[in-house]
Amino acid sequence: DTGVSQDPRHKITKRGQNVTFRCDPISEHNRLYWYRQTLGQGPEFLTYFQNEAQLEKSRLLSDRFSAERPKGSFSTLEIQRTEQGDSAMYLCASSINPEHEQYFGPGTRLTVT
Amino acid sequence: GEDVEQSLFLSVREGDSSVINCTYTDSSSTYLYWYKQEPGAGLQLLTYIFSNMDMKQDQRLTVLLNKKDKHLSLRIADTQTGDSAIYFCAESIEDSSYKLIFGSGTRLLVRP
Repeated sequence: DTGVSQDPRHKITKRGQNVTFRCDPISEHNRLYWYRQTLGQGPEFLTYFQNEAQLEKSRLLSDRFSAERPKGSFSTLEIQRTEQGDSAMYLCASSINPEHEQYFGPGTRLTVT
Repeated sequence: GEDVEQSLFLSVREGDSSVINCTYTDSSSTYLYWYKQEPGAGLQLLTYIFSNMDMKQDQRLTVLLNKKDKHLSLRIADTQTGDSAIYFCAESIEDSSYKLIFGSGTRLLVRP
């Protein structure tokens, strides 16, 4: 059983560019979460999918952020017109309903220059 | 509102016990968790406790929950250098999403 995988692991982009990250959850996990972690802080919840439905979005998820999970398996998180404040580690986690334990991927570290 | 607080740093000698503390504010928390994060890595789920329990033991790890004071602790027995990492306390609420609310983490340094 492979764990949660994320791609890329690192991304450096210039301010104003768009970036897209991918998350592949553990096989058969129907719940998928995105979190953002800035330096020295704990992760903060961004959004959550059950199967392909996006059921909750944090106020942190501005209109420049969009997440999809088109077939209920992998998910993508896109950030448009990146800003320096978007620099962070973006973490993906998955779980299987009705279980509550979330398993995290290694994260994508985004640096906006 | 939701808030989880932890002390920032703990240093212990190898072989000693470590105790990492956490306080939370949401009395409707269903589960409380401890995650471990090593440098540059994602989060590893160490253990969790259901909110109607007082204690849970799992090998070298002991979790204590004082629901009245909203206080959670993680005790690591016989701490090893490989235990050096950042430890995050988190809570979730059974509101259908189980999203996690994290503290800012406690950096544990184990001295040889």
